[in-house]
Amino acid sequence: DAGVIQSPRHEVTEMGQEVTLRCKPISGHNSLFWYRQTMMRGLELLIYFNNNVPIDDSGMPEDRFSAKMPNASFSTLKIQPSEPRDSAVYFCASSSQVGAYEQYFGPGTRLTVT
Amino acid sequence: GENVEQHPSTLSVQEGDSAVIKCTYSDSASNYFPWYKQELGKRPQLIIDIRSNVGEKKDQRIAVTLNKTAKHFSLHITETQPEDSAVYFCAASKGGADGLTFGKGTHLIIQP
Repeated sequence: DAGVIQSPRHEVTEMGQEVTLRCKPISGHNSLFWYRQTMMRGLELLIYFNNNVPIDDSGMPEDRFSAKMPNASFSTLKIQPSEPRDSAVYFCASSSQVGAYEQYFGPGTRLTVT
Repeated sequence: GENVEQHPSTLSVQEGDSAVIKCTYSDSASNYFPWYKQELGKRPQLIIDIRSNVGEKKDQRIAVTLNKTAKHFSLHITETQPEDSAVYFCAASKGGADGLTFGKGTHLIIQP
C-alpha cells in the first residue's frame, strides 16, 4: 500500500499566481480531507469529500480556494490568486467509511508564496 | 462548531517518567477522539484513538482515557523514551466520515 500521495512536495510561487495541489487517496478509501497547518493556526480542516462529493467546505478561507474530486483516486486544491498568507503545509488525508474512522495523512505540500 | 482545547503547550519530562496531555471538547455530539504524533517536518501519524462507547484504551506504553460527561480526554505515555519527543495533537469528530477538529498541540520533550 503506497499510502496517501501528494504532489508537489514543495511549491514556491509568487503572489498572484495560481497554485494547484494534488492528492491521491489510499485505494479503497472513500473519504478525503484537506487540512492546512501553520504555526499560528495549527491544523485546520479546509474541506472534505465522501464518495467524491464535497460535504463540508466551511473551513475554506476564501473564494480564492477551491477543491475538486473528479474521481475516487484524485483530488485537487487550487488557490487563485495566491497570497503570502497562504504559505503553509497542506495535508491531504483519507479514510474508509466502512468500520474504522482512522484518517491517514499524506506527506504534505509545503507552499511558500513570496 | 467543535472547539478542542489542549494543555499543556509544552511538556518536559525525564526519560522513564510518565507524560500526560489533556484535551477538552465542546460538542457533545463528538464521539471519536484520535491522537496524532508529529515529528519535525513529517506528517501527523495516528498513535491511538478512542470512541465514545469506551472509557479507556491501552496500547503498550500509550493509553487514552475519555470522560464524556466532563467532555475531556487524556493521553498517557509511560516509561518515556527519547523517541517519544515530538508534537502530539488531540482531535475530535462525530465519527464516520467526518472531518477532525484538532487541538493546538503539545511539544513533548524527553530529557535524558
